[in-house]
Amino acid sequence: NAGVMQNPRHLVRRRGQEARLRCSPMKGHSHVYWYRQLPEEGLKFMVYLQKENIIDESGMPKERFSAEFPKEGPSILRIQQVVRGDSAAYFCASSPGDAEAFFGQGTRLTVV
Amino acid sequence: GIQVEQSPPDLILQEGANSTLRCNFSDSVNNLQWFHQNPWGQLINLFYIPSGTKQNGRLSATTVATERYSLLYISSSQTTDSGVYFCAVERSASKIIFGSGTRLSIRP
Repeated sequence: NAGVMQNPRHLVRRRGQEARLRCSPMKGHSHVYWYRQLPEEGLKFMVYLQKENIIDESGMPKERFSAEFPKEGPSILRIQQVVRGDSAAYFCASSPGDAEAFFGQGTRLTVV
Repeated sequence: GIQVEQSPPDLILQEGANSTLRCNFSDSVNNLQWFHQNPWGQLINLFYIPSGTKQNGRLSATTVATERYSLLYISSSQTTDSGVYFCAVERSASKIIFGSGTRLSIRP
């Protein structure tokens, strides 16, 4: 049973470009959570999704950020028109719901 | 929302020492986990412990749900134990909330 897979591991984007971060949950897991981590800081909640539904997006910036978890395929975190302040590590986690969650290895986004 | 507080924020120990990390949370929760983020940034599951006591080698954890706290014990510390230890809690069908972590440095 493969773990949570995130790709790419590293992503470099110029200011104004779009960033797409992918997260494939563990087999049998229908709940996905996205977090952002700045250097030397903790994990800040962004969004919680179940298949085809956004359950809680209270941590998502109102503009430029969106997330989806379609019926088929990975969960996608999309950042439009990236700015330098978007540079961070983005982690996703999955769980079967109300149970232990597991994290991927993260995507390090650098905006130049 | 639920507040999660971890203490101490930083801890420096000599190799071989023991330590206790604490996690307090402000409301009842269904789930509680401890994670270790190693110096390479990986988040490693240590314990899934909504209540009770568990042990895994040199590590053990206890959660007293009625008093809203959890403790992580590390015995005979090794340099590979260095990193940040996070406590995370979840209410049913809700987001997972992290504490700010305890940064542990083990000196050889």
